Amino acid sequence: GEDVEQSLFLSVREGDSSVINCTYTDSSSTYLYWYKQEPGAGLQLLTYIFSNMDMKQDQRLTVLLNKKDKHLSLRIADTQTGDSAIYFCAEGPYGIGGHNKLIFGAGTRLAVHP
Amino acid sequence: NAGVTQTPKFRVLKTGQSMTLLCAQDMNHEYMYWYRQDPGMGLRLIHYSVGEGTTAKGEVPDGYNVSRLKKQNFLLGLESAAPSQTSVYFCASSLDSHGELFFGEGSRLTVL
Repeated sequence: GEDVEQSLFLSVREGDSSVINCTYTDSSSTYLYWYKQEPGAGLQLLTYIFSNMDMKQDQRLTVLLNKKDKHLSLRIADTQTGDSAIYFCAEGPYGIGGHNKLIFGAGTRLAVHP
Repeated sequence: NAGVTQTPKFRVLKTGQSMTLLCAQDMNHEYMYWYRQDPGMGLRLIHYSVGEGTTAKGEVPDGYNVSRLKKQNFLLGLESAAPSQTSVYFCASSLDSHGELFFGEGSRLTVL
């Protein structure tokens, strides 16, 4: 079945770049997503990439997709303390009639220190 | 614009008790979902609804029931709570089958 894996923790210094990695098993997903969860809050869509794209850039965020290796990464340039959060990788949507079922990874906790 | 609102935000139950989590959205979204979030695991889909009056099972539906009597509300019920249901529950909604998921702030449930 579908599975999404990510490392659970990443610590970076403020101002450095962060790279959060994700691997997935099912190559039939249409989109791959990055969601951000700040403390005490729900998940918010950060960015997404269509499965036929290799890269997407959005201000400080760069998403890279390697379909051959089923590897997705999120790079955050000039990481700030406000970027401290849990980042979830997700793929999908699946389901009969496309009910927007997403498969989520366990989340990577990003800690930014001075 | 409130978005997705969940109540209650915290609850402690004893084994065997029942309770209902309420999710309300004001975005006129058709699709609504209940997920649970457990440490070291991704979000897992419990039940979902593709419109008023419809519900369907997700990955982990056992021990839960849902109802969608009104388009804006999606209720998650636990008839007889078990310690394995200790978790953080998230409600989400989307406009359609490919749209962005909008999440509530979560409801932390502890079953003793």
